Amino acid sequence: EAGVAQSPRYKIIEKRQSVAFWCNPISGHATLYWYQQILGQGPKLLIQFQNNGVVDDSQLPKDRFSAERLKGVDSTLKIQPAKLEDSAVYLCASSLGYWYGGESYNEQFFGPGTRLTVL
Amino acid sequence: SQQGEEDPQALSIQEGENATMNCSYKTSINNLQWYRQNSGRGLVHLILIRSNEREKHSGRLRVTLDTSKKSSSLLITASRAADTASYFCATDALEGNTDKLIFGTGTRLQVFP
Repeated sequence: EAGVAQSPRYKIIEKRQSVAFWCNPISGHATLYWYQQILGQGPKLLIQFQNNGVVDDSQLPKDRFSAERLKGVDSTLKIQPAKLEDSAVYLCASSLGYWYGGESYNEQFFGPGTRLTVL
Repeated sequence: SQQGEEDPQALSIQEGENATMNCSYKTSINNLQWYRQNSGRGLVHLILIRSNEREKHSGRLRVTLDTSKKSSSLLITASRAADTASYFCATDALEGNTDKLIFGTGTRLQVFP
């Protein structure tokens, strides 16, 4: 089956500019996640969608970051305006995201990521 | 904030040796997962162990979980150069039905031929 697709793979912008990332999850996966991974650290969750609704955006810097998942499939993450500290890899992941018998089945499948450099 | 802390931060071994990585976490969990990340393939899910399980095997991987100590270990047996990557533990904390994973800081494994 096709994996999680992301574009672009690389992006270089100057601070205060805007940038957008696109993600297409695995077909049938209800849950979609955006992570930020700074060099040398583990991924940090920015926002989680269940179908087209936001489940968790507690760590999304809402003054400059926004995300949407129209029709519960593709998603875009936008940064406006970008700061130097936004330089990172932005990862999109998806999972079936269901519960059964009181247990979660949330193995996540990751896309290749977008490496953002802010100059 | 990061829930898991991996130990060691970096590990170098020869091909054929075993590699052991440890993960400690802070809160109660539904399950704990291990992921591998290398430059060629991005983040890949390796194995999931539930809170009511103590040990799980998958090929050359063996994972243990001790919920009383809030710790887990990943053992890779008979390592290969292709196992060179960063390994992350991720915890699915007991926070309703959000399926939120919190990743640790990672262990960088280098396997020399």
